[in-house]
Formats: sequence, C-alpha cells, structure tokens
Amino acid sequence: EPEVTQTPSHQVTQMGQEVILRCVPISNHLYFYWYRQILGQKVEFLVSFYNNEISEKSEIFDDQFSVERPDGSNFTLKIRSTKLEDSAMYFCASSVHLANSPLHFGNGTRLTVT
Amino acid sequence: DQQVKQNSPSLSVQEGRISILNCDYTNSMFDYFLWYKKYPAEGPTFLISISSIKDKNEDGRFTVFLNKSAKHLSLHIVPSQPGDSAVYFCAASANTGNQFYFGTGTSLTVIP
Repeated sequence: EPEVTQTPSHQVTQMGQEVILRCVPISNHLYFYWYRQILGQKVEFLVSFYNNEISEKSEIFDDQFSVERPDGSNFTLKIRSTKLEDSAMYFCASSVHLANSPLHFGNGTRLTVT
Repeated sequence: DQQVKQNSPSLSVQEGRISILNCDYTNSMFDYFLWYKKYPAEGPTFLISISSIKDKNEDGRFTVFLNKSAKHLSLHIVPSQPGDSAVYFCAASANTGNQFYFGTGTSLTVIP
C-alpha cells in the first residue's frame, strides 16, 4: 500500500539553525499538509498546500516557516531560525481530494532544538 | 480554541468487550469526521470516517456514530483486541476550509 515517507526520523539542531524536513507524499495525491505535535499536546495544523501554493496556514506558521515542492515528488518544510519551542513531532500528510478525503500521514520527524 | 475535544485521556477495556471512545465538537460547519489510531513513534493511521449526511458508518469491528444535534461522535470497537491498544484521535473538517482539527487523543488499553 502506498505511504507517505518522511526523512529524517529524528533531527537534532541548535537554536537559531535552519532545518529542512522532507516528505514524499503518496504519488496520486494532490493536497499536502504539515502538522506538528508537541509532546503531550494535540496534533496541530501548520499549513496546507495545493497546486504549488499555500492554500491555508495557521497562526503557528509564521515567517520563519516555509514550504516548497521543489520537484514532482518531494514536499519540504523549512524552519529558518529554530527556537526551543519548535521541538515537536512534525507530520507530513497528503490526501487525494480536499473535501471528504482522509489525510494519510507519514511517521513523522522528531525535531529536537537544543 | 479547542474545536474538537476528547474529554477522556485514557480508557481501559477487557479483551473481547466493547470500547467506546467519545469526541465532541463545537463548530457547526464541520461536515466530515475521522478517527485515527496512533502507535508510539508512528504517524496517525486513518481508521474510519463519516460525513454529516450519515449518522453511522461501519467497517468491520469499527463503527462511528455521529449525533449532529449534540455535536458528538463516538467510535465503537467490538470486540476489542490487545492490538487495538493505541492513542485514538478524532478529527473534523469543514468543506469550506483546508485543515483538519484534531482532538487531544484518548489512550486505549485493551487488557488481555
């Protein structure tokens, strides 16, 4: 069964450094998402992406965050200058349609900012 | 702003019995609801969904019930199995938006 893959599984970085989290969505999916889960808290929406542009973003997704689909398969989340509070599990997801279509998640990247 | 709430952080059930996980929402624009299961160190796995035009959807041992007037949905697992032990998240979306709102999860333990 096709799946969403994320790399790396764990990333440790120092505060102020840039990180890029990578995702390969399911190939026939058109909508792409990033969510995050801070330890012990709920899964939070960051951003959705369709047709090579951001379709919706949350208040969390400020200027330090950016997303890109550099080629036909990868979908990346960049955090320009990491802060301690960015430490979380970051999940990439994709779906076939926008409405009434489940998200399929990757296994996440655990980001630790020290 | 917690639009989707799971008020029970944990639930323990004996193997073979029914597990009932509950979820409440506040946004009347939500029209599509899902349940996800999550094991440690893995991403959420889609289990079952229901649209607002229905009040029940069944898939094997899993049934989701939707009560729109009460803004409440539940997931029934019967019979429960030890492999069902995981964190269960409910999620909701409105077709006017591009995001899913997640509850905080209920940790289910099925005791053999």
